[in-house]
Formats: sequence, C-alpha cells, structure tokens
Amino acid sequence: DTAVSQTPKYLVTQMGNDKSIKCEQNLGHDTMYWYKQDSKKFLKIMFSYNNKELIINETVPNRFSPKSPDKAHLNLHINSLELGDSAVYFCASSQTSGRAYEQYFGPGTRLTVT
Amino acid sequence: AQSVSQHNHHVILSEAASLELGCNYSYGGTVNLFWYVQYPGQHLQLLLKYFSGDPLVKGIKGFEAEFIKSKFSFNLRKPSVQWSDTAEYFCAVNSNYQLIWGAGTKLIIKP
Repeated sequence: DTAVSQTPKYLVTQMGNDKSIKCEQNLGHDTMYWYKQDSKKFLKIMFSYNNKELIINETVPNRFSPKSPDKAHLNLHINSLELGDSAVYFCASSQTSGRAYEQYFGPGTRLTVT
Repeated sequence: AQSVSQHNHHVILSEAASLELGCNYSYGGTVNLFWYVQYPGQHLQLLLKYFSGDPLVKGIKGFEAEFIKSKFSFNLRKPSVQWSDTAEYFCAVNSNYQLIWGAGTKLIIKP
C-alpha cells in the first residue's frame, strides 16, 4: 500500500522531447507538491496544489506545467526537454488544514536528458 | 521570509561517534520543525518533528532533536552513530502551506 507513488521511476529521453511524470497519493491529503533535486541534493520546490488549486508556482521555466485532475493526483508535464532538466523529481503530499505540514514523499523519478 | 541554515554540508564520523547536526531558522513565532533523512538512492523520510510541548523530541532510529526557541535552532543528535546512518539529512520549517528546506548535510560514517 504505497502512500505516494510516482511513475515512471526512471526516464531517459532526448533533448527536445516532451514527457510527463505522474503522481498519486492515497493518504487523503489536501496538498501535493513537486520538487526538483539536483546532483548536489538541493531540494527546490516547484509547484504545489491545495484541493486542486495552484498555490505555489516558483520560478521555473514555463516548459514545466503541473496538472491536478483531483486531490489525489498531481502530474508534471515537461515540454522541450533540456540537458539542465536532468534531476530527480519528487512528488510529496501533506494535510495542511490542521497545520500539520508533514510531507510524505514519493520514490522519485530520475530524469536523464541526453 | 523564512529561511533555514544547515551549517555543515559534509560530516564524516567513525562508527560509535556522537553526532550533532546544526539547523537554524530565521523567523520567529509559532513554527513546526522537521528533520528528514534520505538514504542513498531513496526518497526523503521523516526522522522526527516538533509541533509543541517538550522541546526535546525523540525520533526513529535513536535520533533526537532539541528545539531552542531563543536560538532559533533545532539541532539533530545521536549519541552513537552506525554505518547505516550514512545519508543526507534535511532540516525544514513550515511556512504558508509549504516547508522551507535547508541545503542538507551529507553524513558519512566510516566503518
């Protein structure tokens, strides 16, 4: 019973391609996040959705577009992939209505752009 | 805006040594504080958290952390580390629907 799942786990693709990463949580949480972790392990928040509404939209290229079809899903679509997009992308979820903020992370998607 | 500093980027210890990793946040008021661990090739997992009450918080795997409000600090400690503690450790504090993360500390335990 995986709490936060992501697919695919690995993604190898060429520059210029378009790809999507999917995330699902079965914890009943109201908020979901996308993070990018670079080779130095720095965690950068990219987007966050609360009850399907975009609430955090950090400075990322507009080639990245999140979509939340419902509270349990948050997908990330990336257009025109570049070498610098290579990283591990983590999805996370939390219940923020009670100010808990504790985040649960998915296993990550390692994206390699060649 | 809230920020988090982790003073040590790399720490190398021998097994059985004691560990203390520093974490400071910038903004006062009511805070929720977290330490997460990321083992090699894995995702982030919660080690421990502080919401209120006893400022000495115990977590999994023998870790503990002490919240010192006057110092804006939430340092992570373990009295005797093991080789399996080799990992990246992240401190975080809540702010407006999100967690603000430190840059992480890479801990290497020599057997």
